[in-house]
Amino acid sequence: SQQGEEDPQALSIQEGENATMNCSYKTSINNLQWYRQNSGRGLVHLILIRSNEREKHSGRLRVTLDTSKKSSSLLITASRAADTASYFCATDVWGGSNYKLTFGKGTLLTVNP
Amino acid sequence: SAVISQKPSRDICQRGTSLTIQCQVDSQVTMMFWYRQQPGQSLTLIATANQGSEATYESGFVIDKFPISRPNLTFSTLTVSNMSPEDSSIYLCSAATGTSSGYGYTFGSGTRLTVV
Repeated sequence: SQQGEEDPQALSIQEGENATMNCSYKTSINNLQWYRQNSGRGLVHLILIRSNEREKHSGRLRVTLDTSKKSSSLLITASRAADTASYFCATDVWGGSNYKLTFGKGTLLTVNP
Repeated sequence: SAVISQKPSRDICQRGTSLTIQCQVDSQVTMMFWYRQQPGQSLTLIATANQGSEATYESGFVIDKFPISRPNLTFSTLTVSNMSPEDSSIYLCSAATGTSSGYGYTFGSGTRLTVV
């Protein structure tokens, strides 16, 4: 079953603008991860934020996590056409033998040159 | 992080036949997973492939339809059996490697399956 819900489902912006995608989840988590997928290919891991962290940066990416609201956001600054892809959040719940990622529905980002 | 080679990258199959997808990891990993991604949808976990024991299937997926092998810590296969057009999807394998922050996940490049 889907754990996360991303919004918006689709986002179209111009090159140079910032893109913000949001993710909400339902259960307690150990960490939350963001992935990118180009044209139905394999997923590329972007960033992981632990449940005790509130914000994390990696290059042009900024991720926030609000565990009280069970939500996260991914900000891509100064977007480029190459950022065009689908972006998924995934929650990692682990403990005992139950290790797995549960994915949200994804946001399709289109960056127009 | 681990690197996964997945093949085939795509295939077109006749209904009623079976297809086996292979994933080779360049290092030993404890856990491997198989996902299905239906057209325009997110990833749904099919099963966790356990080395030395039977795979653990998620609700809605059964071993007869999706038999999985995990003969060692670097290799796994997923078979899609008795295929129908509804099985047309992208299938992805994933490996989890432990880090101090939790588990890092690497994905294969996916197998795009079309059943006609």
